[in-house]
Amino acid sequence: EIVLTQSPGTLSLSPGERATLSCRASQSVSSSYLAWYQQKPGQAPRLLIYGTSSRATGIADRFSGSGSGTDFTLTISRLEPEDFAVYYCQQYGSSNNFGQGTKLEFK
Amino acid sequence: EVQLVESGGGLVQPGGSLRLSCAASGFTSSSYAMSWVRQAPGKGLEWVSDISGSGVSTYYADSVKGRFTISRDNSKNTLYLEMNSLRAEDTAVYYCAKKSGRDGYYYYYMEVWGKGTTVIVSS
Repeated sequence: EIVLTQSPGTLSLSPGERATLSCRASQSVSSSYLAWYQQKPGQAPRLLIYGTSSRATGIADRFSGSGSGTDFTLTISRLEPEDFAVYYCQQYGSSNNFGQGTKLEFK
Repeated sequence: EVQLVESGGGLVQPGGSLRLSCAASGFTSSSYAMSWVRQAPGKGLEWVSDISGSGVSTYYADSVKGRFTISRDNSKNTLYLEMNSLRAEDTAVYYCAKKSGRDGYYYYYMEVWGKGTTVIVSS
């Protein structure tokens, strides 16, 4: 089973700054099958990115995904107040594993 | 607009049973696989089960295999999760999600999520 490890566990930044979230897999993941989800407190997760770098419908272009093999990154170019949330990566090339999440909090 | 609405959660004693439902609208149910994902209090997301669009193929996490049963009624656009032999560690918010393709398990991401229903297993 592929294990996904996200880092950092918590990221403290200010609006306007750039956020870089990491997702590392224990085995190689096809870049076609890596997704990112955003979850705000008390809400359901929301799909942001699929296929490593494709934005889901309605997702702002300040969100971008990249990576290959075992290392993947979610970048938020300029943080807006509504971006402070928990972010999960997921691989869906074999099973449906999620990372443990990165909490993006106000500095 | 695609909408998913879960129901059926509640308080149940250890060893008890519960059936969750997920009412879907805004898309052709049989054309898409569906998932159940849960989130224990203060924890991350855990995939629970998948079912193919036809309902023929089902898949389970090891943690629920043999205790939970996923099913669907495409004529009613409804997804179900029958949960038996419940344990305290099954306490969580349970989300249903529409996958991006017809087949279940892998190769398709979870593109729309419901708001979830809460299951509490406690005596």
